[in-house]
Amino acid sequence: DTAVSQTPKYLVTQMGNDKSIKCEQNLGHDTMYWYKQDSKKFLKIMFSYNNKELIINETVPNRFSPKSPDKAHLNLHINSLELGDSAVYFCASSILDRQFGGYTFGSGTRLTVV
Amino acid sequence: AQTVTQSQPEMSVQEAETVTLSCTYDTSESDYYLFWYKQPPSRQMILVIRQEAYKQQNATENRFSVNFQKAAKSFSLKISDSQLGDAAMYFCAYRSAMGGATNKLIFGTGTLLAVQP
Repeated sequence: DTAVSQTPKYLVTQMGNDKSIKCEQNLGHDTMYWYKQDSKKFLKIMFSYNNKELIINETVPNRFSPKSPDKAHLNLHINSLELGDSAVYFCASSILDRQFGGYTFGSGTRLTVV
Repeated sequence: AQTVTQSQPEMSVQEAETVTLSCTYDTSESDYYLFWYKQPPSRQMILVIRQEAYKQQNATENRFSVNFQKAAKSFSLKISDSQLGDAAMYFCAYRSAMGGATNKLIFGTGTLLAVQP
């Protein structure tokens, strides 16, 4: 299936732990994103990579580190997890020059920090 | 910086009726794109409809249509013949046409639509 796939779908972990979320797209898109959806459902961009190059880095704590080994993969590593990191994290992809195309989103990873 | 405002946190519609969700945005750009996304309880983000700012004609996708008023910076979504499956959170979103570091979807706060049988 052509899609944006994220793993895991659910993640429950203790404060202070380090965790990673993986994302892969097989749509041939050249740009990938991480968005955070908070408890009030507000969606805000965190990072964007174009062909493995970081092009958007919003005001995000240094504990969050994205890595893009190739243009089809974008992972998110979070160090020293805090209660406030609990949210749904969405990966998305698009073609940079086709802004009208919108994004294709993954199904999200619900992170719960206890 | 661009902002997107959805002033209706919740809306309700009877099945088979029509409902309109409001969205306004603020930008100094003349070229951009607007989108409506649907997020059902499954949390999947689904693109419903999109509009290019330089096109005056309002976009239509089956039962979904928009009323795009560029001067007023308004982009409302009309759902006709509402169905139970339309119940979801609806997000209005803006994307600059400039690309690069502006290449991001900016979302409104969402409108939760309930469909009554």
